[in-house]
Amino acid sequence: GAGVSQSPSNKVTEKGKDVELRCDPISGHTALYWYRQSLGQGLEFLIYFQGNSAPDKSGLPSDRFSAERTGGSVSTLTIQRTQQEDSAVYLCASTITAGGPSLQYFGPGTRLTVT
Amino acid sequence: AQKITQTQPGMFVQEKEAVTLDCTYDTSDQSYGLFWYKQPSSGEMIFLIYQGSYDEQNATEGRYSLNFQKARKSANLVISASQLGDSAMYFCAMRELDGTASKLTFGTGTRLQVTL
Repeated sequence: GAGVSQSPSNKVTEKGKDVELRCDPISGHTALYWYRQSLGQGLEFLIYFQGNSAPDKSGLPSDRFSAERTGGSVSTLTIQRTQQEDSAVYLCASTITAGGPSLQYFGPGTRLTVT
Repeated sequence: AQKITQTQPGMFVQEKEAVTLDCTYDTSDQSYGLFWYKQPSSGEMIFLIYQGSYDEQNATEGRYSLNFQKARKSANLVISASQLGDSAMYFCAMRELDGTASKLTFGTGTRLQVTL
């Protein structure tokens, strides 16, 4: 079956522009996560969605970052007024349920470069 | 708050030898899970092995085993019979298993290079 997909795979944008990154989770997975990986670093949690519950936004670095998940499936991460420090790989993961040892399956990521 | 520490930024191992990648963690939770992921140069995150905090046996998956020492809060990954294809970044991660806070907390990773 299909895994987690993300688009675009690469995005180059000018400082100050807005960008939207898309994630399609594995069908039937109720929980969806966004992480950010800066060059040479580990993954940093941004936000997660679980079913119809309010999302956990505790990892969003500023109010320029927002995310939504429509219909419990596809998610979009939006970065407004991009800054150079936003350059990173943005990874999406999904899992069948948020609790317990459920394995998070990762997408291939979107590499964002802000010039 | 949870914290993962990987103190080896880079490691070298000869093909066919075993290698241990270190991971220590800090948490006040009683129920938690420990994960290892591999990230090749292509960028995808590949799940390798999982250990639950209440599991009494060390986890094993093929050539991968997890040396879990709960009292020391360490969860080292052992790769036996290294292969050239094992060259990659390796990340240790943990997650609380109770409640709804289920994000993964990652370490900074260890870059493993397998040589001939």
